[in-house]
Amino acid sequence: EVQLVESGGGLVQPGRSLRLSCAASGFTFDDYAMHWVRQAPGKGLEWVSGISWNSGSIGYADSVKGRFTISRDNAKNSLYLQMNSLRAEDTALYYCAKPASRGRPYYFDYWGQGTLVTVSS
Amino acid sequence: DIQMTQSPSTLSASVGDRVTITCRASQSISSWLAWYQQKPGKAPKLLIYKASSLESGVPSRFSGSGSGTEFTLTISSLQPDDFATYYCQQYNSYSLTFGGGTKVEIK
Repeated sequence: EVQLVESGGGLVQPGRSLRLSCAASGFTFDDYAMHWVRQAPGKGLEWVSGISWNSGSIGYADSVKGRFTISRDNAKNSLYLQMNSLRAEDTALYYCAKPASRGRPYYFDYWGQGTLVTVSS
Repeated sequence: DIQMTQSPSTLSASVGDRVTITCRASQSISSWLAWYQQKPGKAPKLLIYKASSLESGVPSRFSGSGSGTEFTLTISSLQPDDFATYYCQQYNSYSLTFGGGTKVEIK
């Protein structure tokens, strides 16, 4: 059974940093790209970032480019999101998402339960 | 980035109704479109991919159609379990984008 378990969320002041993790199991992690998608309270879904299976291809939404860094450790079956210079508008539930296929295109067949990031003073 | 516009934003319907949700892309995305269902407090669930392919395990009352810039999700006979929010997502470009969502409410 595929499982994606996010952690690392919490309350953080504006301008500070936070690192999210996603522990994956139930599939061959290093066969798949992985992505982060967020959802602000009461709002819609926003793609944040994606990373290829070998970390060779990485993409970011314009809203987080230069502040967030995605990475993965295939030996640990884990995905990460380093979030720096956090802003109030980064407040959201952050989901780890697995694409349905090994290569592009990317739509998602499994999602974690999300980890909540609240940016507030 | 490709913008995705869903309509309506809210839809009131009764059990048994036929429901149609529209998603428009700001440029052609061929058939690279997925639909998701999300219930409160839960992660999104994949319903449809490649515009019209039904994900395994999803009831056949759900169907998708369209190509290019205009797409629809249809629920042929709305069931109590279908009251939720629905999102489209384009995956024509690496910068993925979602529609704003359509909340299907009980009339």
